[in-house]
Amino acid sequence: GQQVMQIPQYQHVQEGEDFTTYCNSSTTLSNIQWYKQRPGGHPVFLIQLVKSGEVKKQKRLTFQFGEAKKNSSLHITATQTTDVGTYFCGYNTNAGKSTFGDGTTLTVKP
Amino acid sequence: DTAVSQTPKYLVTQMGNDKSIKCEQNLGHDTMYWYKQDSKKFLKIMFSYNNKELIINETVPNRFSPKSPDKAHLNLHINSLELGDSAVYFCASSQTLSTDTQYFGPGTRLTVL
Repeated sequence: GQQVMQIPQYQHVQEGEDFTTYCNSSTTLSNIQWYKQRPGGHPVFLIQLVKSGEVKKQKRLTFQFGEAKKNSSLHITATQTTDVGTYFCGYNTNAGKSTFGDGTTLTVKP
Repeated sequence: DTAVSQTPKYLVTQMGNDKSIKCEQNLGHDTMYWYKQDSKKFLKIMFSYNNKELIINETVPNRFSPKSPDKAHLNLHINSLELGDSAVYFCASSQTLSTDTQYFGPGTRLTVL
């Protein structure tokens, strides 16, 4: 079935640096979602993208969906220690199946 | 008020035992899920239920048996526990099958000794 590959698996940054995680699929996706999981916590929904080329912003977070709807990215500007966690991309089918990427774990050094 | 709750939060047990994890959502959602997250944090869907009916069984061993007594509850029973079952199990819900936002429970950390 479809899979989404997420890179990098780990990213260590100094506070204030930018961070980007990428999600790639070999096939066209109808939608993509992003979730954040804090250490010891549970995944929390951040955003959903459905349109080709869509860009959405949430404060310092910028989400993009590629023109071909095969890739997506999450960019964080000027990271803060509160940004630490694992970021997952994923997609749903109408049949109730969800597939997630393997996640990118971000650590931020103060 | 907790939207999706799971009990217990921690479960430590011996190989071969049978255990259950309970999940409840008070969001009025139709669809519920069970996920397994291993030590590498890979998040894999196990089951999805819609209005108490099984929709997806993602090649999970039949030692795992979900049960949905009503659409607000989805419990997971595991027979003959194995070392490889050690993981964090998350319950989640969404408004409908085609609604994409999922709300996750706090997770149950299962350790099999």
